[in-house]
Amino acid sequence: KNEVEQSPQNLTAQEGEFITINCSYSVGISALHWLQQHPGGGIVSLFMLSSGKKKHGRLIATINIQEKHSSLHITASHPRDSAVYICAGGTSGSRLTFGEGTQLTVNP
Amino acid sequence: EPEVTQTPSHQVTQMGQEVILRCVPISNHLYFYWYRQILGQKVEFLVSFYNNEISEKSEIFDDQFSVERPDGSNFTLKIRSTKLEDSAMYFCASRGTREQPQHFGDGTRLSIL
Repeated sequence: KNEVEQSPQNLTAQEGEFITINCSYSVGISALHWLQQHPGGGIVSLFMLSSGKKKHGRLIATINIQEKHSSLHITASHPRDSAVYICAGGTSGSRLTFGEGTQLTVNP
Repeated sequence: EPEVTQTPSHQVTQMGQEVILRCVPISNHLYFYWYRQILGQKVEFLVSFYNNEISEKSEIFDDQFSVERPDGSNFTLKIRSTKLEDSAMYFCASRGTREQPQHFGDGTRLSIL
């Protein structure tokens, strides 16, 4: 059974801080997704990773396949980054198995 | 940028009634999904659909649920006889190829009274 666990559950930061959210996943997952869910509920895909590192603006996602671990980093955090960040795992073309999510609050 | 569209945004239905949730995936996408999120819980997979048939379904997706792609653009989820525990946010997603990320709609909040 595919499992995804992420930490922390809740994270509060001051504007400008560097943020890291971690995700561990089980055998059987070959692609790891990072998603953002806003208070209204909508989900936006941020990254899909099967190896290495990806960067988009102030967001960086890394994955270590041997350790089955991925991290999402936010540099120079801003209050508008406040959202729930979710990691989800799957195999190519298949369903996603979601983590519990990390509620991030960035205070001005 | 093309997006996945879901209607309605909020549906209120009496227990036992049938409900249809509608989705318009991105036009050249081939893989379609429904997920749900009960309030305060994580998102759960319901069903995936490819080449006009269900490719995978979860244990949640029982005989009360069905999906259809009636006209090549819409992708619907029907719940035949709703229960209180069906109250949740339902998300539709689509992807172009197996190697691409899924694009999500904004969700339909279903409230069963």
